Amino acid sequence: TQLLEQSPQFLSIQEGENLTVYCNSSSVFSSLQWYRQEPGEGPVLLVTVVTGGEVKKLKRLTFQFGDARKDSSLHITAAQPGDTGLYLCAGELMAGAQKLVFGQGTRLTINP
Amino acid sequence: EAQVTQNPRYLITVTGKKLTVTCSQNMNHEYMSWYRQDPGLGLRQIYYSMNVEVTDKGDVPEGYKVSRKEKRNFPLILESPSPNQTSLYFCASFPGGRADTQYFGPGTRLTVL
Repeated sequence: TQLLEQSPQFLSIQEGENLTVYCNSSSVFSSLQWYRQEPGEGPVLLVTVVTGGEVKKLKRLTFQFGDARKDSSLHITAAQPGDTGLYLCAGELMAGAQKLVFGQGTRLTINP
Repeated sequence: EAQVTQNPRYLITVTGKKLTVTCSQNMNHEYMSWYRQDPGLGLRQIYYSMNVEVTDKGDVPEGYKVSRKEKRNFPLILESPSPNQTSLYFCASFPGGRADTQYFGPGTRLTVL
């Protein structure tokens, strides 16, 4: 059983469409991160959210941390082929825990 | 340039033949970690190290060993690899107390026949 459940695990949409990826848990996290991973490379941090209800924007990407700090979402507006990749959410169960728990990942494909 | 390096990037081996995957970071980070990534499971932590000579098990430590003799290096050792250890392995490092700022290496794809 995954501590962090990501959905959907696969998503293929057309360029210009909007999409949302979800990361859910029954556990409370002190912080939650979203990573993007390209083939042949390690995950690269996109954003960290730490406060319940927090919203962060990175160009066309909007990240939200749930009020109870148990879930998060990544919304992409007007998706572009360059957004294609594997998106991972990860959380720190408590501050200073020195480890991250990862979701299964969402493989996103944006078709031109 | 701040980075985590891993070697080799690709390795095909046979069951039972001992191997070591090296990891090195140039950021003077106290903490280092090894993860394995498998389809549908995300990244799972194998071992981590809080500083030189201090290591602890992660979520899937069986079949693996690590050592931390120097701050910059954190090798992963498979004494007797088995096919179920075929996976993509990532090393990561981060400064003390900030697991949410991990830097990942480029990965090592291991196939055990």
